[in-house]
Amino acid sequence: AQTVTQSQPEMSVQEAETVTLSCTYDTSESDYYLFWYKQPPSRQMILVIRQEAYKQQNATENRFSVNFQKAAKSFSLKISDSQLGDAAMYFCAYRSRTGTASKLTFGTGTRLQVTL
Amino acid sequence: GAVVSQHPSRVICKSGTSVKIECRSLDFQATTMFWYRQFPKQSLMLMATSNEGSKATYEQGVEKDKFLINHASLTLSTLTVTSAHPEDSSFYICSAGARTSGTLYNEQFFGPGTRLTVL
Repeated sequence: AQTVTQSQPEMSVQEAETVTLSCTYDTSESDYYLFWYKQPPSRQMILVIRQEAYKQQNATENRFSVNFQKAAKSFSLKISDSQLGDAAMYFCAYRSRTGTASKLTFGTGTRLQVTL
Repeated sequence: GAVVSQHPSRVICKSGTSVKIECRSLDFQATTMFWYRQFPKQSLMLMATSNEGSKATYEQGVEKDKFLINHASLTLSTLTVTSAHPEDSSFYICSAGARTSGTLYNEQFFGPGTRLTVL
């Protein structure tokens, strides 16, 4: 079974600064997806970024980028130019590459605070 | 993007009653829907996976007779909490996977969640 570990329960960053959230995972599969989801106080899950394991290039979405280290099974999220609206719970998630029937396995989450 | 709705957004019920939560994919057909439970300040725990027209697959430790899941159409799945008790109080979230290939394929879209409080 796959496991996802987020070792930082809480992180804090000043507005306009950069922060990196850590995630490691364990799997015996060679092809899979990795995700970062954001859950603001409204509790609506929002997809931040997705990485396909067969792609060596790190995914980026505007201010969000990942550092995907497949051999180390590490998948960190970097948020640049942090904004107040980035404050939320962030969940790292893993999914096998077997179509939509494959379930997501979530980490325990990191609560990000953004200060002025 | 694809939209998933849940109804109701919050419900309060008495102990011993049953509560039904609906999950709808509004602008796409969902072959598979997932039901999660989230306790305060915790992660999402998958309860079950439902495929249209077939029985749901429950995760270990989830009572299938207590949490009834029906996926009668490609746009609707329901979760019924039967004989609810205070310990069933939680936040329930559904997600839906798109049916066909295209930009939505291999993506899961989350509903806004339902807060259940059992008195």
